[in-house]
Amino acid sequence: AQKVTQAQTEISVVEKEDVTLDCVYETRDTTYYLFWYKQPPSGELVFLIRRNSFDEQNEISGRYSWNFQKSTSSFNFTITASQVVDSAVYFCALSEAYLNYGGSQGNLIFGKGTKLSVKP
Amino acid sequence: DTGVSQDPRHKITKRGQNVTFRCDPISEHNRLYWYRQTLGQGPEFLTYFQNEAQLEKSRLLSDRFSAERPKGSFSTLEIQRTEQGDSAMYLCASSAGTNSVAQYFGPGTRLTVL
Repeated sequence: AQKVTQAQTEISVVEKEDVTLDCVYETRDTTYYLFWYKQPPSGELVFLIRRNSFDEQNEISGRYSWNFQKSTSSFNFTITASQVVDSAVYFCALSEAYLNYGGSQGNLIFGKGTKLSVKP
Repeated sequence: DTGVSQDPRHKITKRGQNVTFRCDPISEHNRLYWYRQTLGQGPEFLTYFQNEAQLEKSRLLSDRFSAERPKGSFSTLEIQRTEQGDSAMYLCASSAGTNSVAQYFGPGTRLTVL
């Protein structure tokens, strides 16, 4: 079955600390896509990054970086020098390419999210 | 570029009433998705459309729920005979293409059933 696990329910850091949000996924598909979304207190989900299963290169975008490791089925997200504006709930999500294993070809499977609080 | 919009943003209704939500996707996005999110949980898939065709429905979508996307543009989600368990945030998303691309979400409609 397809599943996304975000074991950290809540994380609290002080501004300028680095923080890593963990994401572990399960799928039997060989082709799949992983996403991170941010949900600030206003409620609207904001797309951050997409990664396909064939591209294990790490990615950096400003203070954000992502580490994708197929060997451990993980897609972790690091915020460097966190800021108060980073406070939000962050969701990791999985999308599969094929219907081979009873999954869906249409939807995102989300984890339960990690609530990040960055204190000044 | 206008994002995904949803209307209304908030809806309070009494148990047993019918409610209808509207979603306007990003222009020219052929896929439109509906999700439901309850407190402390990630969004859960309800259904999606490719153009005007409804291609998949989750088992979460009971017979009281119906969705349409006439002409492949905006979509409506109707809940008949609402129950307190229907209280949630209903999110709409759209994408240009298949499930390999990002879905862009609207602000959601928060439903409270009294």
